[in-house]
Amino acid sequence: EIVLTQSPGTLSLSPGGRATLSCRASQSVSSSYLAWYQQKPGQAPRLLIYGASSRATGIPDRFSGSGSGTDFTLTISRLEPEDFAVYYCQQYGNSVPLTFGGGTKVEIK
Amino acid sequence: EVQLLESGGGLVQPGGSLRLSCAASGFTFSSYGMSWVRQAPGKGLEWVSGISGSGGNTYYADSVKGRFTISRDNSKNTLYVQMNSLRAEDTAIYYCAKKGSIRGPDAFDIWGQGTMVTVSS
Repeated sequence: EIVLTQSPGTLSLSPGGRATLSCRASQSVSSSYLAWYQQKPGQAPRLLIYGASSRATGIPDRFSGSGSGTDFTLTISRLEPEDFAVYYCQQYGNSVPLTFGGGTKVEIK
Repeated sequence: EVQLLESGGGLVQPGGSLRLSCAASGFTFSSYGMSWVRQAPGKGLEWVSGISGSGGNTYYADSVKGRFTISRDNSKNTLYVQMNSLRAEDTAIYYCAKKGSIRGPDAFDIWGQGTMVTVSS
C-alpha cells in the first residue's frame, strides 16, 4: 500500500498569499497517477488536479500541480477567499488500495 | 448535468446491515468505473471499494473485505454497496465517485453529496 503524507497539517495564510502544499509518497507513484482535491465544510471533495499537473475542468489557473516519483506539490498562486479549505492528495495507480493523504487545511491568517 | 445521488444511510446497530445506493445521471454509466469513498466524522478520506464499468471486477480495502459487497445495475444506472457486520468504526459519510476516464487509472471527477452511516447501539 502506498502511504501519502501531506504537510503541513495546517497552513495559515492571508488572502492574496501563495500556498505551497506537499504530498510525499512511501513509494514511487506510477505514471504520476496523483490527484489533488479540495473539500469545504459540509461539501463533497472536488477534483482540482489529476496526472500530477493537469487541471480539471473549470479549475482556475491559480491552482497548479507539480512533481513526480514520490514528491508532489500543489501551489495556489494567489489565495482567494473561496480557496480556504482542506486539500487532499490521492494516488490512483494500477493497484489497490487507492489511498489519500491525511489532508492540509488552508486557513485564514 | 452529470450527477450522483446517494441514499440509504442511517442509524444501524453494531453487527447490522445496510445497503447504500448511488443513482447516476448525465453520463453513460456502464462505461465508467465507480467507487465508494468514506469519511469518518472530522477525519480524512478513505477509499472503500471500486467496481469496473461492466461490474466484472471488484476491489476492496482490507478494512471492509469480506463484509462489504459492491455491485451495480447498469440498466438502472445505479451503484450499490451492501454493508454487513457493521462496526462502530464504519461510521462515516459515504460518497460514491465516478472515475474520470473510461480506460486506465484515473482520478474521481464527479462525487455525490454523500450519505451518513452511523453504527451505534
